[in-house]
Amino acid sequence: SQQGEEDPQALSIQEGENATMNCSYKTSINNLQWYRQNSGRGLVHLILIRSNEREKHSGRLRVTLDTSKKSSSLLITASRAADTASYFCATDAGRGSTLGRLYFGRGTQLTVWP
Amino acid sequence: DTGVSQNPRHKITKRGQNVTFRCDPISEHNRLYWYRQTLGQGPEFLTYFQNEAQLEKSRLLSDRFSAERPKGSFSTLEIQRTEQGDSAMYLCASSPHWPTSSGNTIYFGEGSWLTVV
Repeated sequence: SQQGEEDPQALSIQEGENATMNCSYKTSINNLQWYRQNSGRGLVHLILIRSNEREKHSGRLRVTLDTSKKSSSLLITASRAADTASYFCATDAGRGSTLGRLYFGRGTQLTVWP
Repeated sequence: DTGVSQNPRHKITKRGQNVTFRCDPISEHNRLYWYRQTLGQGPEFLTYFQNEAQLEKSRLLSDRFSAERPKGSFSTLEIQRTEQGDSAMYLCASSPHWPTSSGNTIYFGEGSWLTVV
């Protein structure tokens, strides 16, 4: 299975602190995406990083990708209470895989205390 | 610019009944996907359409499930003879066509919660 795994499963921090979540996957990929999900809501796309990219930034988000280790990390800087949500990484299955067929892990539940 | 729209957002049904969910993708997105998410898990792929053609189905999509996308616009997901194990959130997503696989942002809707009692 290509399913990714996020680590840690749960993370609790204070506002202003940085939050780092990790994702590991099993097979080659074309790209990796991070999503946020508030409780009971749909998934919000955060950032996509291609397999030939090593780092990408978007606002307070920084994503890294290490294809040799088959891992990625999501860093949220200066966290806010509104960042409280579950965060998922999603991968495809590499060359020849169905475009848009994503494999998700169980997510990291981030709680940011005011 | 509206996002992916799903309805109903919540559905409670008795075991054995049929239910249907509708998804309206982002306009001009020709790819549409259905995923299922149970509590504590990440979404799992069910099926996808390119225009009106259903091109792939997961083995999770039992014969009680049927999805359609007439005219390549909105899509419906019907579950017949619902079982308690069908209780989950059904997520629809869409994406535009692109010539290569070097970038494929998938946009999800808010999901449709199904509770089978």
